[in-house]
Amino acid sequence: KQEVTQIPAALSVPEGENLVLNCSFTDSAIYNLQWFRQDPGKGLTSLLLIQSSQREQTSGRLNASLDKSSGRSTLYIAASQPGDSATYLCAVRLDSSGYSSASKIIFGSGTRLSIRP
Amino acid sequence: GAVVSQHPSRVICKSGTSVKIECRSLDFQATTMFWYRQFPKQSLMLMATSNEGSKATYEQGVEKDKFLINHASLTLSTLTVTSAHPEDSSFYICSATGRVNSPLHFGNGTRLTVT
Repeated sequence: KQEVTQIPAALSVPEGENLVLNCSFTDSAIYNLQWFRQDPGKGLTSLLLIQSSQREQTSGRLNASLDKSSGRSTLYIAASQPGDSATYLCAVRLDSSGYSSASKIIFGSGTRLSIRP
Repeated sequence: GAVVSQHPSRVICKSGTSVKIECRSLDFQATTMFWYRQFPKQSLMLMATSNEGSKATYEQGVEKDKFLINHASLTLSTLTVTSAHPEDSSFYICSATGRVNSPLHFGNGTRLTVT
């Protein structure tokens, strides 16, 4: 059974710092991994999607890496800003059903990030 | 970018009534839609997976007769909470995806309060 863990559960850093959020998964048979951001009371916004064949993806100040063999992904945020404060979730798409688009997506419990001005 | 519209954003209903939540993919064909439930300060709990034109697959512990899911077209899925009770009060979020290697896109969620 695939389990996705995010550590730490909460993180508070001063503005301007670079930081890393961690995501680990127990089964390396994943199709892809996606990082999301959720603001309080809102839906999820997709940040980065990494296919299983890729090692990293970058978008602006965000960089996500994937090490499938060790079951780890990191989200690196450079020069953090107060507007980055949110809950960050990672999700893995299982490869158990092959190329079916109905394969499950399992979420981690998230990291609540607070950037202090 | 791809957009998923979820409606309504908030609904308050009386115990015993039914509530329908709509999830639409606005600019892509969503072959698969997922419905999640989220309790305060917790992560998303997958309720069911629906593929266009077929019956939804429910997760263990989710009552299919209580949470009716219809995915009649490639752009619309609905979740109906039947005979709602206060314990059904929660944040419900839908997501949609096309091909298996495509990103998952989320609606903005529906805050359901049952009084």
